[in-house]
Amino acid sequence: DAKTTQPTSMDCAEGRAANLPCNHSTISGNEYVYWYRQIHSQGPQYIIHGLKNNETNEMASLIITEDRKSSTLILPHATLRDTAVYYCIVRLRDRGSQGNLIFGKGTKLSVKP
Amino acid sequence: DSGVTQTPKHLITATGQRVTLRCSPRSGDLSVYWYQQSLDQGLQFLIQYYNGEERAKGNILERFSAQQFPDLHSELNLSSLELGDSALYFCASSAGSQGVGYEQYFGPGTRLTVT
Repeated sequence: DAKTTQPTSMDCAEGRAANLPCNHSTISGNEYVYWYRQIHSQGPQYIIHGLKNNETNEMASLIITEDRKSSTLILPHATLRDTAVYYCIVRLRDRGSQGNLIFGKGTKLSVKP
Repeated sequence: DSGVTQTPKHLITATGQRVTLRCSPRSGDLSVYWYQQSLDQGLQFLIQYYNGEERAKGNILERFSAQQFPDLHSELNLSSLELGDSALYFCASSAGSQGVGYEQYFGPGTRLTVT
């Protein structure tokens, strides 16, 4: 799996968009970008994933650059409940027998009133 | 609510003891994963089962073992517990066949404290 680099922490004002960057310069052509988040001591929560096109769901949008070397997770209207550690994970969708996720340190997003 | 359930929520036990953590995956999911999260190690993958068979092992100690039953629930057994085993233990499940890793849905975790 390709290595990812994320800022250690970020702040965002409540109601504003939170833009969380992730660098994955060694990503290969068939690797996906996944985002998970973990609200304090709760189980990690799947947010979104994409290959090369931008993706949007009810939680967030994922913007992947054309060269796929970086991506941005966008929470359009951050709330206090979005305060969490956000993990960017790059991996093959089909890894054969090994389906486990490899978590880095992620970005701690603090949404402030 | 992810649909993955874990029991118990909290467990306090003494060193040297043995405990069993239980996980019920989302309905229809065949793969179950166990992860450990301690303060200094972050989220670490332990072991994966698919439809009753072990599929992959991560950094799982020999004192730890797991199994997945015919009804697809899974148990993680931790024995000869040490202080360093104190951690959050998460179970996750995913759909997909033959151990393919699709989106994983995590349970609320079991907090184990070894005294």
